[in-house]
Amino acid sequence: AQSVTQLGSHVSVSEGALVLLRCNYSSSVPPYLFWYVQYPNQGLQLLLKYTTGATLVKGINGFEAEFKKSETSFHLTKPSAHMSDAAEYFCAVSSIIPFGNEKLTFGTGTRLTIIP
Amino acid sequence: EAQVTQNPRYLITVTGKKLTVTCSQNMNHEYMSWYRQDPGLGLRQIYYSMNVEVTDKGDVPEGYKVSRKEKRNFPLILESPSPNQTSLYFCASSFRDSTDTQYFGPGTRLTVL
Repeated sequence: AQSVTQLGSHVSVSEGALVLLRCNYSSSVPPYLFWYVQYPNQGLQLLLKYTTGATLVKGINGFEAEFKKSETSFHLTKPSAHMSDAAEYFCAVSSIIPFGNEKLTFGTGTRLTIIP
Repeated sequence: EAQVTQNPRYLITVTGKKLTVTCSQNMNHEYMSWYRQDPGLGLRQIYYSMNVEVTDKGDVPEGYKVSRKEKRNFPLILESPSPNQTSLYFCASSFRDSTDTQYFGPGTRLTVL
């Protein structure tokens, strides 16, 4: 079974400050990890994903995330927050299990508020 | 334009009245899935399909049915809706499977009275 835990359902940061959104996962096999962003009244869109290889993954809009196997974490960061970053962010995990289920499991989401 | 479309976008119905939410993608994707989004619970997968005539349960399949008769379409059927199915529903598709980038539709907000 796989699962995702996002610490902090609401995070507020000042414009220009560091953004850090936390995600921990559980998976019995090597995971594929994703961050998706949802702007108000829209569907989700991919920010970045980790498959294999380099553990530091760069995404759109200046976001990046680091896969840390020993900590089972995939935290999302951005050095300097912008007002347009205000949205809800979802971490997700999937894995390839031969003849197994092809599920994608999402965390409960973190709503990011940017303070002017 | 590559996209996933859902219809209707908004729906208010009454308990027990069968309804179908349609989902269509124009990217020739093999994998399609349905999610419901509820406050504090994030997105939970209802059903997914690996290809035509291949479907399987997600984490919250009770009360829902799906079919995949054509590659581009993946309708969600609520045969006897109940108030606890009031939610925001998203359809998504990807090239091959759950490890690929998912492309989401705009969502369907369903209210069951």
